[in-house]
Amino acid sequence: EDQVTQSPEALRLQEGESSSLNCSYTVSGLRGLFWYRQDPGKGPEFLFTLYSAGEEKEKERLKATLTKKESFLHITAPKPEDSATYLCAAPSGNTPLVFGKGTRLSVIA
Amino acid sequence: SQTIHQWPATLVQPVGSPLSLECTVEGTSNPNLYWYRQAAGRGLQLLFYSVGIGQISSEVPQNLSASRPQDRQFILSSKKLLLSDSGFYLCAWSPGGDGQYFGPGTRLTVT
Repeated sequence: EDQVTQSPEALRLQEGESSSLNCSYTVSGLRGLFWYRQDPGKGPEFLFTLYSAGEEKEKERLKATLTKKESFLHITAPKPEDSATYLCAAPSGNTPLVFGKGTRLSVIA
Repeated sequence: SQTIHQWPATLVQPVGSPLSLECTVEGTSNPNLYWYRQAAGRGLQLLFYSVGIGQISSEVPQNLSASRPQDRQFILSSKKLLLSDSGFYLCAWSPGGDGQYFGPGTRLTVT
């Protein structure tokens, strides 16, 4: 069964402490790997799409990378406003997107 | 630019009552439309998606149904709500290619 698994479930960082979030997938024939940010009580906000191994995309302090089996969301020198849940997702068969359960990031000033 | 609206923002309904949640998209035509439910600890679950008027695909057998009466309108309904229907309901749209874009969501509590 195709799966999208995120780790860790929760991550607590000091402001300025860089780290990475992991998204591993077992979807065959990857047709895109998507990253979203979700703030409490709000809908997910689209961040990035990656299509092929070796691809990288950046937005402010975030950089997403993709290998054949996993994707990383690198957060450089995070600020408290980066606190949110980060979701990854991939198409699977006839399902448009299968989501991981997310990583809840807390950045402490 | 495109915008997506959902209403109501919050809803408290008794068990056995009907449900109607509405989603509309502005600034695009013939979007793909999606309904998701997000429950604590379970992530986003795709409920229905539609690639055109009257075309609905159901991902999970359940107490809910969806309809698309107009190109940019997507409705989620139930005839009789269950306690297990509580959750955060999200509508999303896509142009058919890169990514899905989510609405603000509806928090449904069934009592």
